[in-house]
Amino acid sequence: DAGVIQSPRHEVTEMGQEVTLRCKPISGHNSLFWYRQTMMRGLELLIYFNNNVPIDDSGMPEDRFSAKMPNASFSTLKIQPSEPRDSAVYFCASSPLAGGLTGELFFGEGSRLTVL
Amino acid sequence: GESVGLHLPTLSVQEGDNSIINCAYSNSASDYFIWYKQESGKGPQFIIDIRSNMDKRQGQRVTVLLNKTVKHLSLQIAATQPGDSAVYFCAEIGGPFNKFYFGSGTKLNVKP
Repeated sequence: DAGVIQSPRHEVTEMGQEVTLRCKPISGHNSLFWYRQTMMRGLELLIYFNNNVPIDDSGMPEDRFSAKMPNASFSTLKIQPSEPRDSAVYFCASSPLAGGLTGELFFGEGSRLTVL
Repeated sequence: GESVGLHLPTLSVQEGDNSIINCAYSNSASDYFIWYKQESGKGPQFIIDIRSNMDKRQGQRVTVLLNKTVKHLSLQIAATQPGDSAVYFCAEIGGPFNKFYFGSGTKLNVKP
């Protein structure tokens, strides 16, 4: 079975450029999460959607970050303009129940972003 | 806000020995805890979970212990294998929207 699919796996860009990360959750899962992982801060929840609706975006660091989920099978995380401190691995995860109540988040392989 | 932390950032064990990874949590209202394993270059993978009405739960070669009195969680891995080498995260579910709060992680090195 296909798991959570993220693209790109790696992106290197220059400061000021727009970055778009993409995620396809597991079919049938109705919750989707975006996490950022760095050595300094660990895994941070940025935003989570339930049934395509953003439920909690309190983790989104700044207005430069935005996330959308136009349908049940696709989500994007956009950074505009990007800055070097945005360099991190960004994970998308999905879960079959609202709010991840089962505890089982299924993570993608991550998108490693480097902003020069 | 809530926070979850780990006592040991790195743990080295001999292949075949048992491993114990510890975790402290801060929110006494959290009622659900999970351990995840993250291998290099991959996303975290669910290992085992436990609800606050339990003290112990066993899986295949893994056991999670929960001590609510001191807000402590541990993961025990029996007969540790090289394939167990990874970073292990504990997470608690709590607060509004049942958010996941992940600890900083413990790296487990298994020596052959």
